[in-house]
Amino acid sequence: EIVLTQSPGTLSLSPGERATLSCRASQSVRSSYLAWYQQKPGQAPRLLIYGASSRATGIPDRFSGSGSGTDFTLTISRLEPEDFAVYYCQQYGSSPLLTFGGGTKVEIK
Amino acid sequence: QVQLVESGGGVVQPGRSLRLSCAASGFAFSTYGMHWVRQAPGKGLEWVALIWYDGSNKYYADSVKGRFTISRGNSKNTLYLQMNSLRAEDTAMYYCARDQFGGIAVSGAYGMDVWGQGTTVTVSS
Repeated sequence: EIVLTQSPGTLSLSPGERATLSCRASQSVRSSYLAWYQQKPGQAPRLLIYGASSRATGIPDRFSGSGSGTDFTLTISRLEPEDFAVYYCQQYGSSPLLTFGGGTKVEIK
Repeated sequence: QVQLVESGGGVVQPGRSLRLSCAASGFAFSTYGMHWVRQAPGKGLEWVALIWYDGSNKYYADSVKGRFTISRGNSKNTLYLQMNSLRAEDTAMYYCARDQFGGIAVSGAYGMDVWGQGTTVTVSS
């Protein structure tokens, strides 16, 4: 079973700062089928990144994804007030077919 | 507009059954793979099940395999989740979600781009 470990658990930053979130897989993620989501309290998740580095429709270019194999990163170049939320990575391809990481909370410092 | 609306949640005793529905509108439902994803109170996201656009293939998380069944009615633009032998640990918000790409795209591989607002399931005696 593939396990996705996200770090840090919580990231305390100020608006305008750069956020770097990590997602590490216990096995290589097939064909970089790795996605990132943002979730705000009381809301459904929102797709940000798919294929490890492609932005979903309507996602601002301050969000970028990178990585391959077992190590992936979500970067928010300059945090806007609306970016403070929980972020999840998700992989496709290994049993179980899809899994989510435990999440990283980006909070206002 | 593109929309998913879940229904059918509620409070149920352990061991009983419940069926969730997800009504789709604003897009060609029959051409997209569909998922159920759940979130226990205060916890992270857990993928539950996937069904291909035509219902020909279904996949489940180990935690629900043999107890839950995903299905769809393409003529009714509706996704279902039949949940049997419910346990306390099934208590969660249940979301339905759409594959980002329909058609012949590998179902599940490119993320889920449309989500419903969720329906709450509480398993308690």
